Amino acid sequence: DVKVTQSSRYLVKRTGEKVFLECVQDMDHENMFWYRQDPGLGLRLIYFSYDVKMKEKGDIPEGYSVSREKKERFSLILESASTNQTSMYLCASSLTAGGYGYTFGSGTRLTVV
Amino acid sequence: AQRVTQPEKLLSVFKGAPVELKCNYSYSGSPELFWYVQYSRQRLQLLLRHISRESIKGFTADLNKGETSFHLKKPFAQEEDSAMYYCALSVLYYGNNRLAFGKGNQVVVIP
Repeated sequence: DVKVTQSSRYLVKRTGEKVFLECVQDMDHENMFWYRQDPGLGLRLIYFSYDVKMKEKGDIPEGYSVSREKKERFSLILESASTNQTSMYLCASSLTAGGYGYTFGSGTRLTVV
Repeated sequence: AQRVTQPEKLLSVFKGAPVELKCNYSYSGSPELFWYVQYSRQRLQLLLRHISRESIKGFTADLNKGETSFHLKKPFAQEEDSAMYYCALSVLYYGNNRLAFGKGNQVVVIP
């Protein structure tokens, strides 16, 4: 069974902390994505990556950065967490980036206090 | 600009009644559209895509290029259809494709 695993289901962090959200896929997919999911706003793309060490900004990259040192791992970094970054974060991977077979992780609910 | 519009945030229907979720898109290229579903406490997963022209769990969706729509329909709603539904459009973005999602529809099926 193909899997996208997000390391934490729930996280509580303090304002100003540096936060790492980890995502690992075991499908040898080239493409990986980070979205945030907010009620009434849907899914918004933060960053994505089409290859190792490659990254592209999505629609809302401000306040975030990413790292892709290995094909299977895509990390989202909140450099200095703020309360408006409280959200559900979803990682996804795909063999092709056009939407065929996007596999999503179970999500990380981040609360910044 | 690419845009996916799902006009209704919450849709409540009685079991056995038809359900239709509206999705309109704006895209200058040839569109590829999808419906994703998220059941309570589960991952977001692909429900269906227009290119497959298939029916999944009784749901169908037809791409209407003239009306730029991709509405999701099911003739008889079941309680297990209660979920969050997202319409998504594959867009070309600086030479690469990615998905743009609508804001989602919460569907509640009343027993």
